Amino acid sequence: DTEVTQTPKHLVMGMTNKKSLKCEQHMGHRAMYWYKQKAKKPPELMFVYSYEKLSINESVPSRFSPECPNSSLLNLHLHALQPEDSALYLCASSQDPGGITEAFFGQGTRLTVV
Amino acid sequence: KQEVTQIPAALSVPEGENLVLNCSFTDSAIYNLQWFRQDPGKGLTSLLLIQSSQREQTSGRLNASLDKSSGRSTLYIAASQPGDSATYLCAVRPGSASKIIFGSGTRLSIRP
Repeated sequence: DTEVTQTPKHLVMGMTNKKSLKCEQHMGHRAMYWYKQKAKKPPELMFVYSYEKLSINESVPSRFSPECPNSSLLNLHLHALQPEDSALYLCASSQDPGGITEAFFGQGTRLTVV
Repeated sequence: KQEVTQIPAALSVPEGENLVLNCSFTDSAIYNLQWFRQDPGKGLTSLLLIQSSQREQTSGRLNASLDKSSGRSTLYIAASQPGDSATYLCAVRPGSASKIIFGSGTRLSIRP
């Protein structure tokens, strides 16, 4: 099983709402990632978790708050977003945080901020 | 800072042709390079992973090569089919951090 599952698939939220994106993997991977992808652009790294600890934050605004409650689950909490935050949010995982192993991506959450 | 470039940005070919997609990166200190496929509005599907010590990997009609010293990789697709139409992304793992850095992608269209 090489599946990374993201929920929900689609999300529409107002600028005053609080919502969360969820990502789950059962491959025993110890590194998990959040990426943001705008239309016709490549994915851009937001956060990396290594052994359930935040190891990389690519200067992401605080209205995005990641959380890794256990080794299988990764959340992205959203609060007071702006319309320009509308994008496809992708979660990924890999076995080895050191970077030698294959990365697997989920199908993404299409977020629209109104 | 590692930069990854893919040329061409878009490619349209008739069905049945063999084709090559190119990827270049500026820093040869990488752990591996991975090719992905992305259908419109969807996530990324891993196609091939090449470790830094390897020269090429094959899966079905796909063959990926890596020349780390020159900072180049190619993805060869044999006997292209309309179902191959998608955006193809290459991504490198730099040696200095647990990141995956993507190229800008090649949008491939196979005409029936």
